[in-house]
This record gives sequence, structure tokens and C-alpha cells, in this order.
Amino acid sequence: QQPVQSPQAVILREGEDAVINCSSSKALYSVHWYRQKHGEAPVFLMILLKGGEQKGHDKISASFNEKKQQSSLYLTASQLSYSGTYFCGTEVGAGANNLFFGTGTRLTVIP
Amino acid sequence: EAQVTQNPRYLITVTGKKLTVTCSQNMNHEYMSWYRQDPGLGLRQIYYSMNVEVTDKGDVPEGYKVSRKEKRNFPLILESPSPNQTSLYFCASSLTRTGRPQHFGDGTRLSIL
Repeated sequence: QQPVQSPQAVILREGEDAVINCSSSKALYSVHWYRQKHGEAPVFLMILLKGGEQKGHDKISASFNEKKQQSSLYLTASQLSYSGTYFCGTEVGAGANNLFFGTGTRLTVIP
Repeated sequence: EAQVTQNPRYLITVTGKKLTVTCSQNMNHEYMSWYRQDPGLGLRQIYYSMNVEVTDKGDVPEGYKVSRKEKRNFPLILESPSPNQTSLYFCASSLTRTGRPQHFGDGTRLSIL
């Protein structure tokens, strides 16, 4: 039930954009996005609950497709501080007890 | 300050020597869980607890035990650690079991020789 995340790694120059995808073979109850910097704990970014939903803050946003099987994280005009590993976490149902995480996308922003 | 506190942060020990990693949260969260993080595998859930005295297995529970005697504490116990349990461990809590952000502790790096 682990979601599939892509790409595994991406290198950007400051100011460039990136998209990270998270896919499931089944419809999901929710998708969470987290960022983890090296040697630190994962930090919550946002959660999407509704099909077709889009949300974001600052220059990081995410969408959840209508079928609730895919979510994408958008990072625009990237900054050095965006570097880290991004994880999606998925819940398969309102009654589910687990959050399944993807294997992560390592994002490196260079000057 | 709202936080999840894990101890110790680092531990090097030997095979078979029982150890406990403590986890405490001050947010009155119902749901707590333990994850291990290994390169290329992401975060995998070990055990979770939906409330006091209610615990259940996650994806990789073998070799681990937990208890939830108080709402704020959720210790992870390795009765007889083995080298394949060398990993980075995170405790997390959330207000409810679904649809809410998980708040992670700072992690515990365990090395079992």
C-alpha cells in the first residue's frame, strides 16, 4: 500500500520550478506532504482531503486529482531553503489506522 | 511549546541488550506511532496507538514492543535488539488517527553491534 513517488531526486537552480508526484493504485482518503532536512525530523507541509482540491502557502502548493489517486507537490521559484527530502503520506480510508509513506524525493537547490 | 520528545537521540549498544526509547507529547494527542527510517525505504510504521491501552501493529512490528499507559507517553521497547534493527527511529503524534498532521520527534539513531 506504499504510494509511488517520483522523481527520486531532482537538482534545481535557484528560481526554477519542480513537481513531485505521488500515486496510488487505489482511491485515497487523504494525502499528506512532509519535508525532511538532513538529520532532522519530517515537518508537515499540508494535507489534502478532497478530490480536485488544491492548496498551498507561499510558493509551495499541492493538488489532489479528482479520482483521489494522485497528488502533486509544486515548488515554484525555488529557494535554497527548499532543499531536503519530500515525502508523501497516504491514508487509504477514514477508518484506516496507518499512514503509508512514499520513499521520498531528494530535492537539491543550488545557487 | 508543542512538541514530541524522544530520548535518547543517539544510542550504540550490543546485540541482545534490552533497550527502551522514550517518547512523550504535550499536545494531548490521541494517536501516537513509531516509525523506522532506512535509506531507500522511506518511513515504515512499527506500532501505533489510538489511545491509552490501545495499541496495534504497523507494517514492521517484529522485534519491537510498545505500551501506552498514559496518553502522553509511548515508549518503544527492543527486548533483544539485533543488528537489523539499526536504524533511525521517529515517534509521531496526531490529534486523531486520520486526516490530521503528524508531529514528529527529533529522531533516535540506534546502532546495534
